[in-house]
Amino acid sequence: AQSVSQHNHHVILSEAASLELGCNYSYGGTVNLFWYVQYPGQHLQLLLKYFSGDPLVKGIKGFEAEFIKSKFSFNLRKPSVQWSDTAEYFCAVNERNDYKLSFGAGTTVTVRA
Amino acid sequence: DTGVSQDPRHKITKRGQNVTFRCDPISEHNRLYWYRQTLGQGPEFLTYFQNEAQLEKSRLLSDRFSAERPKGSFSTLEIQRTEQGDSAMYLCASSPPQSSYNEQFFGPGTRLTVL
Repeated sequence: AQSVSQHNHHVILSEAASLELGCNYSYGGTVNLFWYVQYPGQHLQLLLKYFSGDPLVKGIKGFEAEFIKSKFSFNLRKPSVQWSDTAEYFCAVNERNDYKLSFGAGTTVTVRA
Repeated sequence: DTGVSQDPRHKITKRGQNVTFRCDPISEHNRLYWYRQTLGQGPEFLTYFQNEAQLEKSRLLSDRFSAERPKGSFSTLEIQRTEQGDSAMYLCASSPPQSSYNEQFFGPGTRLTVL
């Protein structure tokens, strides 16, 4: 089974600071990679996804993520965060031809105004 | 609203009681998934359906849990003889038939509290 590790449990930063959240997975084969976000009181929403091609993918709200196959990593970045980015962020992976997603434990991001 | 819907949003029950949750996927999504999320953890896969067929069940899904999707549309998840350890958020997700990449759309969840 897949194992997904998110490096930080809770990140606190100020507006305009840069954000990087780490994600590593255990499977050595072909995978699909996702970042989901859960804003306070809302349901999980897809932030961005990687299936193939350019390893640098851009998502909504200025987020991007880079797939580094050799490091089994899919780190999420945003150059300048806003107060509205306060949320919980989940990295998720599924093996090709397997439909279930394996999630990391999540990282709570608090952005101070 | 054309998203995934779940009912009820909250359920409080006493230990030993049975509970049933419902999930309505996005229209025309043929795959439907159930996940469970406990505090401080990410969602954990429970089971999934392709149309009405239940194709995979996690070992997390004990004999007290049963899921159905009788007509390939909505799904129900029943927990019999609930235990305090069943307290969690139960999430439903769906994905469209042409999505070989398995992009899943999540509902708001049903929060279960077992007293």
